[in-house]
Amino acid sequence: SQKIEQNSEALNIQEGKTATLTCNYTNYSPAYLQWYRQDPGRGPVFLLLIRENEKEKRKERLKVTFDTTLKQSLFHITASQPADSATYLCARPSGAGSYQLTFGKGTKLSVIP
Amino acid sequence: GAGVSQSPSNKVTEKGKDVELRCDPISGHTALYWYRQRLGQGLEFLIYFQGNSAPDKSGLPSDRFSAERTGESVSTLTIQRTQQEDSAVYLCASSPDSGTLSYEQYFGPGTRLTVT
Repeated sequence: SQKIEQNSEALNIQEGKTATLTCNYTNYSPAYLQWYRQDPGRGPVFLLLIRENEKEKRKERLKVTFDTTLKQSLFHITASQPADSATYLCARPSGAGSYQLTFGKGTKLSVIP
Repeated sequence: GAGVSQSPSNKVTEKGKDVELRCDPISGHTALYWYRQRLGQGLEFLIYFQGNSAPDKSGLPSDRFSAERTGESVSTLTIQRTQQEDSAVYLCASSPDSGTLSYEQYFGPGTRLTVT
């Protein structure tokens, strides 16, 4: 089965710094990876999708990279703010051509004022 | 426009009772997913509906779990003879037609199920 791992369960960072979250996958490189944000008591909210042929994707203070050699995606939040505190999930297709997603367990980010 | 809605938001039930959870996807979204999220855990895929195709039930944990979807609209997840281990948040998500090459999923707020 296609696995996806987020090695850090929790990450604490000082306000204003850049937060970097890691997502590793096994087996073949997926066609794309997705990142979601989940706040307590709420469903995940889609943030970014990066395709296999894209090295980097940006959206405002967010940046995602996709390294098929390392089988890894990095998610960066620059100039982090306390409002960025949440759990961040990465996800990959469950199989080739599949529209289903396999989610990582998430990394809980806490931005300390 | 309206997002994915789920009802009830909270459900407390006694062990052994049946429960029915409802999901209203975003209008026009052909794909619908159900997930289970236990406290402190990741999302666990349960079932997937895509248009008129046969649903993918590979994630259902036991035959006590079933789900239906009426066309491309409402879906219900039914858990029969609930057990305490069924306590979790049940999340529904929908996704637009694959022809848009837009695969992101739009999640509802979830139903928190507590089995006593």
